[in-house]
Amino acid sequence: GAVVSQHPSWVICKSGTSVKIECRSLDFQATTMFWYRQFPKQSLMLMATSNEGSKATYEQGVEKDKFLINHASLTLSTLTVTSAHPEDSSFYICSASWTGGPVGEQFFGPGTRLTVL
Amino acid sequence: EDKVVQSPLSLVVHEGDTVTLNCSYEVTNFRSLLWYKQEKKAPTFLFMLTSSGIEKKSGRLSSILDKKELFSILNITATQTGDSAIYLCAHGSSNTGKLIFGQGTTLQVKP
Repeated sequence: GAVVSQHPSWVICKSGTSVKIECRSLDFQATTMFWYRQFPKQSLMLMATSNEGSKATYEQGVEKDKFLINHASLTLSTLTVTSAHPEDSSFYICSASWTGGPVGEQFFGPGTRLTVL
Repeated sequence: EDKVVQSPLSLVVHEGDTVTLNCSYEVTNFRSLLWYKQEKKAPTFLFMLTSSGIEKKSGRLSSILDKKELFSILNITATQTGDSAIYLCAHGSSNTGKLIFGQGTTLQVKP
């Protein structure tokens, strides 16, 4: 149980285009989803926290107009990187938690590797 | 601002060695301290610690938390090449449930 999927697993795009990444909880209802970014040889940096049906809460330094997050249902959250540039190339990982689970327990998706040319 | 610091940042050992990875934290509203192992993709869960002094064990891995001194250690005994990975420590906030990760320790186990 507690499986989280991400799609696509990798994407290559041209500079200036927008890219959407989907995160789905397959066998549970995710009241909260988290988006992380990880650069090579670095740790996971939390970008934003999203709760179903409400606006995402972004971490300091993360541009909300550039990284659009939508959490329209209890099983799906999307991250759209708008007008992507080479410096946005990174590994994007989502995770999900559910109401009633232990605090801090998150189930991670397999990640999406974004390369912007 | 909540902070989680891991040491060492990287470590190279030989198979059979025992390693100790460190994680210290300065946070408000402490609720849990988590350890993850990351190989090529997303992190996989190892341990969640909430109480001081109680060792959690899974095979050759064990971990303990000291809430007075604000640190945790992860021990791996009789290391194998398959233990090579990045080990991440994270604090779980009681308010939001979000995780704040340390920088990670990259462990390489040589045959």
